[in-house]
Amino acid sequence: LAKTTQPISMDSYEGQEVNITCSHNNIATNDYITWYQQFPSQGPRFIIQGYKTKVTNEVASLFIPADRKSSTLSLPRVSLSDTAVYYCLVGLLGGNYQLIWGAGTKLIIKP
Amino acid sequence: DADVTQTPRNRITKTGKRIMLECSQTKGHDRMYWYRQDPGLGLRLIYYSFDVKDINKGEISDGYSVSRQAQAKFSLSLESAIPNQTALYFCATSEPVAGGSYNEQFFGPGTRLTVL
Repeated sequence: LAKTTQPISMDSYEGQEVNITCSHNNIATNDYITWYQQFPSQGPRFIIQGYKTKVTNEVASLFIPADRKSSTLSLPRVSLSDTAVYYCLVGLLGGNYQLIWGAGTKLIIKP
Repeated sequence: DADVTQTPRNRITKTGKRIMLECSQTKGHDRMYWYRQDPGLGLRLIYYSFDVKDINKGEISDGYSVSRQAQAKFSLSLESAIPNQTALYFCATSEPVAGGSYNEQFFGPGTRLTVL
């Protein structure tokens, strides 16, 4: 069963690029890697997902090495509003539903 | 208006009481989920439903039951609440896998449940 490990917290400053890494050593062949963002008193919100190599959308990039045992969420030029908890999720909806969520990384952006 | 709503938003109850948490969605999704969130543990799947007639246990279903009353409604019950069920509960929906991002779920605002 896959297990995800991510840093408990990180600090950065406005305008910087932030990279959050998640380890998932036992990822299964069909598993996707997904990242969610959560603000206080809200449910998580989908940011990005990927299977391998690099995926980019309008808010983030996701880097996945060839062995897929880790992944890195990259947030370009962060702002104060990016202060949130970021979750790594390994699994596949519609697969065996072994959805493994990381414990979350609390990202604090300072002015 | 929110696409996924949960009621109540907060609830305090006593050990042994029966509690029902309700979830409604206007996204038209067939798939619905119940999770619990505990500090330092991320989210854990309790039950999920592909459609009205299909309900499946998740990672931590013991002590919980669910009812899918309609495509838009999915309720979670604690038949006899106990203190270690104190947590934040989230409902989520998703499209069938082939219809969009494989792991994109849409979450409600959560219900904070305290069992004394």
